[in-house]
Amino acid sequence: AQKVTQAQTEISVVEKEDVTLDCVYETRDTTYYLFWYKQPPSGELVFLIRRNSFDEQNEISGRYSWNFQKSTSSFNFTITASQVVDSAVYFCAQGGVNAGNMLTFGGGTRLMVKP
Amino acid sequence: DGGITQSPKYLFRKEGQNVTLSCEQNLNHDAMYWYRQDPGQGLRLIYYSQIVNDFQKGDIAEGYSVSREKKESFPLTVTSAQKNPTAFYLCASRKGQGTVGANVLTFGAGSRLTVL
Repeated sequence: AQKVTQAQTEISVVEKEDVTLDCVYETRDTTYYLFWYKQPPSGELVFLIRRNSFDEQNEISGRYSWNFQKSTSSFNFTITASQVVDSAVYFCAQGGVNAGNMLTFGGGTRLMVKP
Repeated sequence: DGGITQSPKYLFRKEGQNVTLSCEQNLNHDAMYWYRQDPGQGLRLIYYSQIVNDFQKGDIAEGYSVSREKKESFPLTVTSAQKNPTAFYLCASRKGQGTVGANVLTFGAGSRLTVL
């Protein structure tokens, strides 16, 4: 069975601080995908990144970076120099490639960035 | 601009009433999904449809029903059989059929249902 754990339910930081959101997953699949989505107060989830299980290269996109470590089944997300607009709920998700395999979402981490 | 429209944004229901949440997409996506979001529990799949006139139950389908008569539309009915319907409901879609595990979902802005 698949499981995604986001142990941090809420994080509060002051603007310009760096913050890391943790994500740990469990799967028996050898080929799988990992995702991060952002849910701002408006409600819709916005796609941030997708990474497949064969690509352990870290990725950086502006102030965002992702650290995928297969050895520890983790896919952590770091925001550098956080801004108030980063305040949102962030979801990590994992999906396999077998037919009918659905996405499994973590419980989400609410990030509050204070000015 | 293409996207997913969910309505209404807020809905109040008395116990024992059925309510229908609308989901319309103009992205020409094949597959559509309904998720339920409760605080701290992430998103749980209610129903999904990969093609018109076909749909499958997700993890928590009891007390819900759907239809997929048009590619663009995937309404969700919350029936009186759903014992705890107060939640935030999200509709999503993706292009192509097959497994969703590898593909990016596009989400609507959600509908918040409150049972009085």
